[in-house]
Amino acid sequence: KQEVTQIPAALSVPEGENLVLNCSFTDSAIYNLQWFRQDPGKGLTSLLLIQSSQREQTSGRLNASLDKSSGRSTLYIAASQPGDSATYLCAVFDYGGATNKLIFGTGTLLAVQP
Amino acid sequence: DGGITQSPKYLFRKEGQNVTLSCEQNLNHDAMYWYRQDPGQGLRLIYYSQIVNDFQKGDIAEGYSVSREKKESFPLTVTSAQKNPTAFYLCASSPGTGGIGYTFGSGTRLTVV
Repeated sequence: KQEVTQIPAALSVPEGENLVLNCSFTDSAIYNLQWFRQDPGKGLTSLLLIQSSQREQTSGRLNASLDKSSGRSTLYIAASQPGDSATYLCAVFDYGGATNKLIFGTGTLLAVQP
Repeated sequence: DGGITQSPKYLFRKEGQNVTLSCEQNLNHDAMYWYRQDPGQGLRLIYYSQIVNDFQKGDIAEGYSVSREKKESFPLTVTSAQKNPTAFYLCASSPGTGGIGYTFGSGTRLTVV
């Protein structure tokens, strides 16, 4: 059974710092991996999607990497801003038999202090 | 603008009462999903539907029911059999399978009183 873990559960950094969020998964047979952002009391917004054949994706100050063999992904945020404060979730798309679905990690709550 | 609308934003349920959460999308997506989010547990899949008039149980379907009579609508009923329904409920849709193009609603917070 696929399990997705995110460390740390919470992170507080001063504005301007570069930071890395971690995601690990137990079964490397994934189709893709996504990073989502969730603001308090809101839904999720997709930030980056990495297909299983890719190693990384970039969007602005965000860079996500994928190492399938080790079951790891990282989300790098450059020059963090208070507006980056949110919960970040990673999710893998799992071809688990008939149940094709996204499996989510527990999230990292990020606070960027001005 | 296309999107997903969940209503109500806040819902209070008395013990033994059934309540229905609404989810409507105008994205012409085939697939729709219901997730439950509890603090520290991420999102867990309750039910999903890949096509009209068809739906499958997710990981935590007990105490919940759904219908998919229209492509645009995927309501979730939380029945009295669900012993711990207090949670944040998220509806999502996607064009198909493959984990691509997921769009989420803004959620319904259900509280048992």
